[in-house]
Parts: sequence; C-alpha cells; structure tokens
Amino acid sequence: KQEVTQIPAALSVPEGENLVLNCSFTDSAIYNLQWFRQDPGKGLTSLLLIQSSQREQTSGRLNASLDKSSGRSTLYIAASQPGDSATYLCAVKAAGNKLTFGGGTRVLVKP
Amino acid sequence: NAGVTQTPKFQVLKTGQSMTLQCAQDMNHNSMYWYRQDPGMGLRLIYYSASEGTTDKGEVPNGYNVSRLNKREFSLRLESAAPSQTSVYFCASTDLGGMNTEAFFGQGTRLTVV
Repeated sequence: KQEVTQIPAALSVPEGENLVLNCSFTDSAIYNLQWFRQDPGKGLTSLLLIQSSQREQTSGRLNASLDKSSGRSTLYIAASQPGDSATYLCAVKAAGNKLTFGGGTRVLVKP
Repeated sequence: NAGVTQTPKFQVLKTGQSMTLQCAQDMNHNSMYWYRQDPGMGLRLIYYSASEGTTDKGEVPNGYNVSRLNKREFSLRLESAAPSQTSVYFCASTDLGGMNTEAFFGQGTRLTVV
C-alpha cells in the first residue's frame, strides 16, 4: 500500500527566506508526482508535475526534485513572499492509476 | 474551459438523508476520483475509477457508493448520511499512466450533516 508523508506539517519563515518542503512515499513504482497549492477554503491548484523518469522540474521560483529510488521529492520555493502562505500538498500516481496524497505542509511567510 | 465541475457547491443534510454528488469532466480523461478533506488534513481517497466501467475502493469507502455513468461523469452517493461525513468533497480527473497526465480538481462540495 502506497503511503505518502509530508514533514513538517507546518512551517513558518520570514519573508525572503527559501522554503524547502518535503514529500516521501513508500513505493517507488510511481508514474508521476504532482505538487499542489491550496488556499484556505479553496480548491487545489497544480504547481508542478514530475514524471517518474525526471529528476527535477522548474517553474519560476519553484523547483521540484524527485529521487524515486529513495522515495523522496522536495519542493523549493525561492525568496518566499507573504503571498506564498498556503498549504502545499504532494500526490503520487501509481499502479492502477491510483492517486495518493500526503497530509500537506501549512506554510506561513511572515512579512 | 470548464475542466472538472462539481455540483452542488454547498449542501446541508439531516442525519439519515441521502444525496448524490455529481462530477463531470470535459477533458476526455479516463480516470476519475472522489476525495474527502477534513479540517487540517490532506485528501483521503474514497473511491476511484481508473477507466470507464471500473471502480475501486480507496482508503475510506464505508458509507459511500459510486457510479461511473460514462466517461465524463462520476457520481458519489451517500445512502444514509451521518455527522461523520461532514467534510469537503473533491472530485478529480486525470489520464492513464504518467506521461503528461496532470490531475485536475473541481472546486469542492462543502457538506454538513446535522
């Protein structure tokens, strides 16, 4: 059974500091891994998708890495801003096209 | 650009009532999913349908049933609602496999059972 874990559950940083968010999964036989952002009371916004054959994916200030063999992905957000405050979720797609989520990391960027 | 559409957006039910949450996607995706999200938690998978004609249980299927009506539509039914089913429900869709198969989500249905 695939299990996805995100540690820490919450993170608070001063504005300008780089954010590092972790996602680990127990079964390395995945199709892809996707990072999402969720604002309070809202739906999920896709940030980055990394295929199983890729090592990293970048979009603006966001960079996500994937180490399938160790079952880990890291989302880096450079030069954080108060507008980056949200909950960040990772999800892995694996056998049977099952999509499994981690519990999320709640981020607060203080001005 | 509808993407994934869920109805209704809000619902209040009395304990024991039944209802169906509707989900439709217009991206010709093969796979569709139902999740619930409780306060401060991630998304837990209720049921999913990898392709038209198939459905499988997720982590928390008890108290729910699903129907994959056609390739576009995937409904979630609560036969006898309980307060423990108070939650926000999300529907998602994606295509098969890993290549360029981003998952897309609806805006959610906020359900309260009193």
